[in-house]
Amino acid sequence: NAGVTQTPKFQVLKTGQSMTLQCAQDMNHEYMSWYRQDPGMGLRLIHYSVGAGITDQGEVPNGYNVSRSTTEDFPLRLLSAAPSQTSVYFCASSSGGWYNEQFFGPGTRLTVL
Amino acid sequence: GDSVTQMEGPVTLSEEAFLTINCTYTATGYPSLFWYVQYPGEGLQLLLKATKADDKGSNKGFEATYRKETTSFHLEKGSVQVSDSAVYFCALSEYSGAGSYQLTFGKGTKLSVIP
Repeated sequence: NAGVTQTPKFQVLKTGQSMTLQCAQDMNHEYMSWYRQDPGMGLRLIHYSVGAGITDQGEVPNGYNVSRSTTEDFPLRLLSAAPSQTSVYFCASSSGGWYNEQFFGPGTRLTVL
Repeated sequence: GDSVTQMEGPVTLSEEAFLTINCTYTATGYPSLFWYVQYPGEGLQLLLKATKADDKGSNKGFEATYRKETTSFHLEKGSVQVSDSAVYFCALSEYSGAGSYQLTFGKGTKLSVIP
């Protein structure tokens, strides 16, 4: 049981490049989400999904795109990377219900030059 | 909107000292409250939670009580160990309709425990 996996662990991009951060979970969780973690800011929600085919915006969605074609996968796309997107990105999943624990992946550290 | 305020760090304690990390929240309804911990280089993991007023969450010697009257969820441990050194996040989750909910985090408190 791998839990929540994220790839890559580290990535360096140049301004304007695009890329996809991968996230997968093997717990059959309906709810998945993406956060970014910046120093002194805690974690901020980017996008989330309550099930396959359903996504919605969080607190900081600009510059990011998501889709959810399967229960297992929830990729995060950066359309045109900017230095302000330098951050650590975490994917999380939950079995549903606001009272339930969210399980976090190990994170992707992204640097945009 | 919902918000979480927790005491700013860093906090440095000697081993076996008593720990309190304050957390207060603002929410419109009846949120669930959580403490997550992040060890260096890792993702977050749940430390404890409480889902209704007066509930006490506990795990690994840590405790926190859901106080609706003071909108607080302070984290305590009677005797910290070096292995407790980590960043601690207070968070709340509240139902926002149409099957949706969001986890709102505080900014985190870095704890360092010295031998």
